[in-house]
Amino acid sequence: QVQLVQSGAEVEKPGASVKLSCKASGYTFTAYTIQWVRQAPGERPEWMGWISTGTGDIRYSQDFQGRVTITMDTSASTAYMELSSLKFEDTAVYYCVRELKIGAFFDYWGQGTLVTVSS
Amino acid sequence: DIQMTQSPSTLSASVGDRVTITCRASQIIRSCSQSIRSCLAWYQQKPGKAPNLLIYDVSTLQSGVPSRFSGAGSGTDFTLTISNLQPDDFATYYCQHYNSYPLTFGGGTKVEIK
Repeated sequence: QVQLVQSGAEVEKPGASVKLSCKASGYTFTAYTIQWVRQAPGERPEWMGWISTGTGDIRYSQDFQGRVTITMDTSASTAYMELSSLKFEDTAVYYCVRELKIGAFFDYWGQGTLVTVSS
Repeated sequence: DIQMTQSPSTLSASVGDRVTITCRASQIIRSCSQSIRSCLAWYQQKPGKAPNLLIYDVSTLQSGVPSRFSGAGSGTDFTLTISNLQPDDFATYYCQHYNSYPLTFGGGTKVEIK
């Protein structure tokens, strides 16, 4: 069965960076784009960016431009999302999601990684 | 950017009720290339869990989703209806457009027990 398994919770100080991982299984990794979405406590989900696992193309939300880097290791079927210059308001659950081929909506979600930014 | 506004933000209902949630976009959501319907999806989220895809292309049920869920709408106005509300349906619901980037979600509608 399709699974996206994310790395564990992180606690970081303001100004630091965090790198999260998302390991896919149960399907051909390079056949589906992986996106990253975050959700602050009590808030709506917020789109961050995507990586085409087949071509390596990447696109980021302008809200995170310059702070977010999405990469992948196809040999490990794993995508990564690094967020730098962390702020208190970056405290959120970060999800990797699989995009369906017919549109940018998401049929499988990782379990989420809680990132807490605290001094 | 397309802003998505949901109403109501909270809805109190009883098991067996029919409920309707509205999602309004700040500009027209175009039809998707594979469908004549707009690029609009709905998700259900329960506390501490990731959202779960219910509907895409406005009204297409994701595999495994019960038929009591239905979606409708076009242009800027969309609805999610749950007929015969079941105990498992008490959750928060989000709409999401995929018309263009950036993708955006509605603010959510929490369906709670009356």
